[in-house]
Amino acid sequence: SQTIHQWPATLVQPVGSPLSLECTVEGTSNPNLYWYRQAAGRGLQLLFYSVGIGQISSEVPQNLSASRPQDRQFILSSKKLLLSDSGFYLCAWITYGTDTEAFFGQGTRLTVV
Amino acid sequence: GQSLEQPSEVTAVEGAIVQINCTYQTSGFYGLSWYQQHDGGAPTFLSYNALDGLEETGRFSSFLSRSDSYGYLLLQELQMKDSASYFCAVDNFNKFYFGSGTKLNVKP
Repeated sequence: SQTIHQWPATLVQPVGSPLSLECTVEGTSNPNLYWYRQAAGRGLQLLFYSVGIGQISSEVPQNLSASRPQDRQFILSSKKLLLSDSGFYLCAWITYGTDTEAFFGQGTRLTVV
Repeated sequence: GQSLEQPSEVTAVEGAIVQINCTYQTSGFYGLSWYQQHDGGAPTFLSYNALDGLEETGRFSSFLSRSDSYGYLLLQELQMKDSASYFCAVDNFNKFYFGSGTKLNVKP
């Protein structure tokens, strides 16, 4: 079966520290992968998406970057966190076709202090 | 760019029917999708409409009018467990853009 893993579930980091969130997918090949951020009580903001290894598209210029070193691995990074980077980060895998559907990881709740 | 509008909050009683509307503006459009999110959890898929009309899945139905850039989610026979946030999302050629969400409060 197809599953998506994301970790860690929660993270508290000081301002100025680096960040690395990892997402992996099982049970499929060449998935379309996405990073979203959700502020408290708000909608999901698309940050990055990738249709293949090394292919990254950025939606919003900001203090974050993404990489796809392997087919089923998607990483969200920052060199120096800002207070405004706090939020709920969600990795998603979207399948397209007769059943277009987004599958989300469990999410990472990041608090920058 | 794209924008999606949904009501911020809706309250209904158990057993009732509720409709959550979504209007959108987008540069590209394949379809409209709906997701449910309980507090603290990740969104889960409810429906996807690529064509005009109504699609039914159990107690939930979703409608799309491409000419009106409008859709809605219909929840019937409301249960307490339906209390959650509901998001519409436009499928814009390999990218999903989400609305700000509608918080549904189901009261006994």
